[in-house]
Amino acid sequence: GAGVSQSPSNKVTEKGKDVELRCDPISGHTALYWYRQSLGQGLEFLIYFQGNSAPDKSGLPSDRFSAERTGGSVSTLTIQRTQQEDSAVYLCASSLAPLAGLSYNEQFFGPGTRLTVL
Amino acid sequence: DQQVKQNSPSLSVQEGRISILNCDYTNSMFDYFLWYKKYPAEGPTFLISISSIKDKNEDGRFTVFLNKSAKHLSLHIVPSQPGDSAVYFCAASDLYGNKLVFGAGTILRVKS
Repeated sequence: GAGVSQSPSNKVTEKGKDVELRCDPISGHTALYWYRQSLGQGLEFLIYFQGNSAPDKSGLPSDRFSAERTGGSVSTLTIQRTQQEDSAVYLCASSLAPLAGLSYNEQFFGPGTRLTVL
Repeated sequence: DQQVKQNSPSLSVQEGRISILNCDYTNSMFDYFLWYKKYPAEGPTFLISISSIKDKNEDGRFTVFLNKSAKHLSLHIVPSQPGDSAVYFCAASDLYGNKLVFGAGTILRVKS
């Protein structure tokens, strides 16, 4: 079956421009996550969607970052007025609904979008 | 502050020998610990996990050990194979597993 897909794979933009990154999760996965990996760093949690619940936005680094998930499927991460420090690989993951304490629900990652802000 | 640390940026091992990747954490509230493997230009893939109530979990050539008192976990790969060459990320989460906290990764090179 199809895995998590992300588009574009690469995005080069100028400082100050807005960008939109897209994620298509695995069909049937109700949980969707965005992470980013800056150079030499581990993955940093950004935002988490689960079903119709309010998203957990606790990892978004500033109000220039926002994300939405339409129809419980596709998600778009938007970065407004991009800055050079936003340059990173943005990774999306999806999973079945997390069930506390029963077992770990594997998060399946997409290949990422490499964002370069000039 | 880094809650999950992988202090070795890289590790080189001969094919057939054991690879040991280490990870330390600071948050005693973590409930799950995981290892992810990443090849270039691909997203990370889940390798193995361990619950905080266990001290060992084994899956084929991969074994994860957890020492809660030391806040330390390790991944053992034996025997190591050239196809194991990748970046290995240690991660931790709470009981719900919905916000993974990752280490910076260790590059493993298995030489044939």
